Amino acid sequence: AQTVTQSQPEMSVQEAETVTLSCTYDTSESDYYLFWYKQPPSRQMILVIRQEAYKQQNATENRFSVNFQKAAKSFSLKISDSQLGDAAMYFCAYRTMDSNYQLIWGAGTKLIIKP
Amino acid sequence: SAVISQKPSRDICQRGTSLTIQCQVDSQVTMMFWYRQQPGQSLTLIATANQGSEATYESGFVIDKFPISRPNLTFSTLTVSNMSPEDSSIYLCSVSRGPTNEKLFFGSGTQLSVL
Repeated sequence: AQTVTQSQPEMSVQEAETVTLSCTYDTSESDYYLFWYKQPPSRQMILVIRQEAYKQQNATENRFSVNFQKAAKSFSLKISDSQLGDAAMYFCAYRTMDSNYQLIWGAGTKLIIKP
Repeated sequence: SAVISQKPSRDICQRGTSLTIQCQVDSQVTMMFWYRQQPGQSLTLIATANQGSEATYESGFVIDKFPISRPNLTFSTLTVSNMSPEDSSIYLCSVSRGPTNEKLFFGSGTQLSVL
């Protein structure tokens, strides 16, 4: 069975600095999707970035980028130029390519931004 | 993306009562899902709301406790029945979008507290 592990319960970073959140996963599949979601205190889960496993190029969305290491089964999220609005819980998630739409979720990392 | 309206945003309920949560999407979607997020935890899928047929429940969740309706392709409800304090959680509606329905978008959630 697939599993997703986020080993950092909490991270803190100074405003304008760069922070990297870790995520590892376990699967026997060769094709799949990986996601990072953000959940601010407002509770809404917001899709930050998506990576398709068959694409070698790391996904990037403005200040957010990933370091996808398929062989190591690692999917870290880098946030550049951290802003106060980035403070939230960040969840890593995995999904297979088939029609099973269930996501496998990590436990989450709480990101604190220091002004 | 998708605009998802979820009501109520929060409620405080008495033990033994029921609460119905509504989820309205701005356009037709095939897949709608209901998640539970217990305090300090990640997300757990309750069920997939199927239009025109009974919902598909995940292990540990039953229709008598969490009846779901899906009368059309833009609307669903989740009822939490005969509530106990253990049902205190955030309940989230979500829909899938993207070329292969791989992206999940979420409503703002319902914070439920049971006394």
